Amino acid sequence: NAGVMQNPRHLVRRRGQEARLRCSPMKGHSHVYWYRQLPEEGLKFMVYLQKENIIDESGMPKERFSAEFPKEGPSILRIQQVVRGDSAAYFCASSPPGTGGDGELFFGEGSRLTVL
Amino acid sequence: GNSVTQMEGPVTLSEEAFLTINCTYTATGYPSLFWYVQYPGEGLQLLLKATKADDKGSNKGFEATYRKETTSFHLEKGSVQVSDSAVYFCAFHSGSARQLTFGSGTQLTVLP
Repeated sequence: NAGVMQNPRHLVRRRGQEARLRCSPMKGHSHVYWYRQLPEEGLKFMVYLQKENIIDESGMPKERFSAEFPKEGPSILRIQQVVRGDSAAYFCASSPPGTGGDGELFFGEGSRLTVL
Repeated sequence: GNSVTQMEGPVTLSEEAFLTINCTYTATGYPSLFWYVQYPGEGLQLLLKATKADDKGSNKGFEATYRKETTSFHLEKGSVQVSDSAVYFCAFHSGSARQLTFGSGTQLTVLP
């Protein structure tokens, strides 16, 4: 049973370019979360999605960032016109349906974005 | 607001030493509490959890007890190994939101 799959593992972009990060949740999981880890810091919540719905995007920057989780295919975190401050590790996590009380998340290995 | 305060690192210990990493939280209600571990170059893995007051989570020799009166969930291990070298994150889930709130992480290095 494959875990949470993220790609690419490493991505280098120049300022002004777009970055797209993909996440396939564990089999049977319908909830996806994106977290950002800046250098030397902990993880900060960005967005929580279910299939075709954004449930909580309270941690998403207001501009340039967007996320989706379509009916078919992986979840996508999109960063437009990247700046150096976007350099970070972006972690995706998933959880099965109906686990509202426990809160255990299953994390991918992360996508490390470097903006030159 | 909701937050987790975690002992700052880095922490360096010799093999077989005793480990304590302090964690306290500020949250409404009675959250579920977690310790996650991140090995170099990898994602986070759940180490242990506790879902109600006085519960003790344990795994791989690590333990943490949910202390409601002190809002704490300190991580302990009696005898650390070199392979325990990693970053440890304390986190909680309040139940009213699906997201986890994480501490800033504690880097542990165990020397042979």
